[in-house]
Amino acid sequence: AQKVTQAQTEISVVEKEDVTLDCVYETRDTTYYLFWYKQPPSGELVFLIRRNSFDEQNEISGRYSWNFQKSTSSFNFTITASQVVDSAVYFCALESNSGGSNYKLTFGKGTLLTVNP
Amino acid sequence: DVKVTQSSRYLVKRTGEKVFLECVQDMDHENMFWYRQDPGLGLRLIYFSYDVKMKEKGDIPEGYSVSREKKERFSLILESASTNQTSMYLCASSLTGTGRVNTEAFFGQGTRLTVV
Repeated sequence: AQKVTQAQTEISVVEKEDVTLDCVYETRDTTYYLFWYKQPPSGELVFLIRRNSFDEQNEISGRYSWNFQKSTSSFNFTITASQVVDSAVYFCALESNSGGSNYKLTFGKGTLLTVNP
Repeated sequence: DVKVTQSSRYLVKRTGEKVFLECVQDMDHENMFWYRQDPGLGLRLIYFSYDVKMKEKGDIPEGYSVSREKKERFSLILESASTNQTSMYLCASSLTGTGRVNTEAFFGQGTRLTVV
């Protein structure tokens, strides 16, 4: 079985604060993929990043950074100097086959981030 | 650009009706997924398909069935719609698997279904 846990249901910050969104995953597979998606109020899911299980290098893209740690099964997402436009629901997702033959894509429940001016 | 298109943005159906939600992708992706999204519950996987005519149950398949007769099209069927199936339905496609070029999942714009 595979599972994604986003323990933070809602986070509220003031503009320019840094914020970290947590993601913990479970899978029996050794090969898997992790994702973050953003869902703004318009509703469309926007892809942010994909990581495979063999690449633990942290990544930075502008104000966004991701910290992948296999030892703790975590894939956390940090927004530096948050802006009002960052307000959205953020989903962490896991794609693995959990020992089977077909890849299943499982999402966490999402974290609602509100950035206040 | 990859496109995943869902046939309707909004649907209103009556209890007991048979409902078809259609999804088409244009990138020759092998994997296709149907999710429902409800407040506080995130995206829950209903069914997915990894090839034509192949399907697997997701986490909440009860009350739903699917059809994949062609690679580009994945249909979600509510055999007898009920009010607890009122939700946002999202279709996605991807190209993932051992030894393959992997992609992220691309999503459609969603279908908001109301069952009255």
